[in-house]
Parts: sequence; structure tokens; C-alpha cells
Amino acid sequence: SAVISQKPSRDICQRGTSLTIQCQVDSQVTMMFWYRQQPGQSLTLIATANQGSEATYESGFVIDKFPISRPNLTFSTLTVSNMSPEDSSIYLCSVERFEVSETQYFGPGTRLLVL
Amino acid sequence: ELKVEQNPLFLSMQEGKNYTIYCNYSTTSDRLYWYRQDPGKSLESLFVLLSNGAVKQEGRLMASLDTKARLSTLHITAAVHDLSATYFCATRGATNKLIFGTGTLLAVQP
Repeated sequence: SAVISQKPSRDICQRGTSLTIQCQVDSQVTMMFWYRQQPGQSLTLIATANQGSEATYESGFVIDKFPISRPNLTFSTLTVSNMSPEDSSIYLCSVERFEVSETQYFGPGTRLLVL
Repeated sequence: ELKVEQNPLFLSMQEGKNYTIYCNYSTTSDRLYWYRQDPGKSLESLFVLLSNGAVKQEGRLMASLDTKARLSTLHITAAVHDLSATYFCATRGATNKLIFGTGTLLAVQP
């Protein structure tokens, strides 16, 4: 398995500000992902965090709004920029370790409320 | 575009009863994943189904995959309150990214 930690676990922010979420994994992983889960909804993939190159964003998500860093194989950050109340969600970091199993593992999530 | 649909979206059942959650997906895939999410918590992997006809069981839960019908089922036997949670299925799209279903909120009543 993989042990994933995220910081902060929750935050309340004012609109127009930015928040950076950190994701730390206990072992090196090739693939790291960022998901958003809006209240009562399913998970939507924001982007794939690539080590050593720019993140790959899914349709509807852009780098200016959700800049991502991946400085090494165990760490990534997601920034939610210029926040609005519509950004209130749970943001989840996820990793794959194909050499161990097909399972994709998820972090505990960051619960964000934008006022 | 790959779509993954679950039904029912909400299921209220009594303890001791059996029920099945269905997961349909719209394109060819031979991999299907089931996750559980408790309120305020992250996702916990339950089952990974990697081929047509795969069946896996853990306690009161059993998952199966029919790739030809593009259907997976999660069967609950003799439900207990501890099984109350939201259950998600997921499969992989053309880019090999995990695409999640709509989720099924299960409430087991005593």
C-alpha cells in the first residue's frame, strides 16, 4: 500500500485568496493525481502531476487556476488560486504503485470552504 | 467520453437483508474498482477486478465483473449497520485515468 498525508486537512478561506495543498507519500511513486470532490458528489480528476514536467490537466481545469508542482517522486502541491465559493470542495491526492498492485490509493483529503 | 453510472444512487436497507449495487460503464474496459467512503473520510479500496468474470469477496461484500455487458455488481449479504457508507465504482478511460461512478449512498437501518 501507500501512506499518503495531506496538509492542511481543512481550511476556511476568503474569496480572492489562494491556498496551497501539500501531498506527501511514504515511498516513491510514478503517478500522482489530484481530484476534486464537491459536496455530495463523485470524484473528478483535476490533473496528473508529472515529475520533472508540467502537469497534465483534464478538460475544464487550467493551470492558471490550479497550478501544480511535483519536485520529486514523493511530493506534490496543488494551489487553488483566486478562490470563489464554487471552489469549496474536498481536494484529494492519489497515487498509483503498479509494481505493488493495481490499486490507486487516496490521501485523507483537504476540506476547503471559501467564504 | 467514458461514463460510469451507478444505481441506485441511494439505498436504505434493513439489517439482515441482501441487496445489489450496479455499476455500468460506457466503453470497453477490463478493469473495475470498488471503493468505500465513510462520511468525512477518504476513499478505501475494496476490490480490484481485472478480468471478465472476476469475482471477489470480503466479508459480507462480493463484487463481480462482466466486461461484455460493461457491468459490475457489488452484492451485500445480510447487511449490518457498519456497512453504511458511500460506495463508488471506477474504471479506466482511454487515457488510463480512473473515472469514477456517481456513487451509491448506503444506509443500513437497525
